[in-house]
Amino acid sequence: QVNLQESGPGIVKPSQPLSVTCSITGYSIITSYFHWNWIRKFPGRKLEWMGYICYDGSIYYNPSLKSRISITRDTSKNQFFLQLNTVTTEDTAVYYCARGKYYGSHYYVMDAWGQGASVTVSS
Amino acid sequence: DIQMTQSPASLSASLGETISIECRASEDIYSNLAWYQQKSGKSPQLLIYAANGLQDGVPSRFSGSGSGTQYSLKISGMQPEDEGDYFCLQGSKFPYTFGAGTKLELK
Repeated sequence: QVNLQESGPGIVKPSQPLSVTCSITGYSIITSYFHWNWIRKFPGRKLEWMGYICYDGSIYYNPSLKSRISITRDTSKNQFFLQLNTVTTEDTAVYYCARGKYYGSHYYVMDAWGQGASVTVSS
Repeated sequence: DIQMTQSPASLSASLGETISIECRASEDIYSNLAWYQQKSGKSPQLLIYAANGLQDGVPSRFSGSGSGTQYSLKISGMQPEDEGDYFCLQGSKFPYTFGAGTKLELK
């Protein structure tokens, strides 16, 4: 059974980079056709999909973040990473990682999520 | 981006009551819609995929329907364990987008 666990810094100062790690157990990050997503939930409940890294290493970002975001992975540790640069207080959120896949080549779901890492941007 | 308008924002239901939550997309998403439940402090759980597919292990009182731009999640007989936040996700077009969420409480 797949399990995802986020770990993050808790507090980040404005203009600094934010880094969050997702550790995967029970499933290989290189298993064909799976995607490994980052999503964040702002105070007030709004959710934003940030991007994903695929089993083959290809990456897709939300264009709204494209200049600030980087998603990478370490296949030897079965982990993937989020870095968000030049943060502001508006980046305060709970950051989730989630496994994604297509059902029947068309219908997309994120079928396993971590519990989230709360990150506050504050000086 | 595809906008997902979810309603209501909050809902209070009695034990055994049947409730519905709606998501309306700003354009046709071809049933590429999933529903999630999130309890306080827990990770989101997939309930419904492809608009009406029941995820393994999810009670049959949960059902999804809809097509085009209009989708709904129905709970047929509210149970205490159904309290939580519910949200929809469209996976039809990048960037994937979510509904704003519905807070469901037991009356």
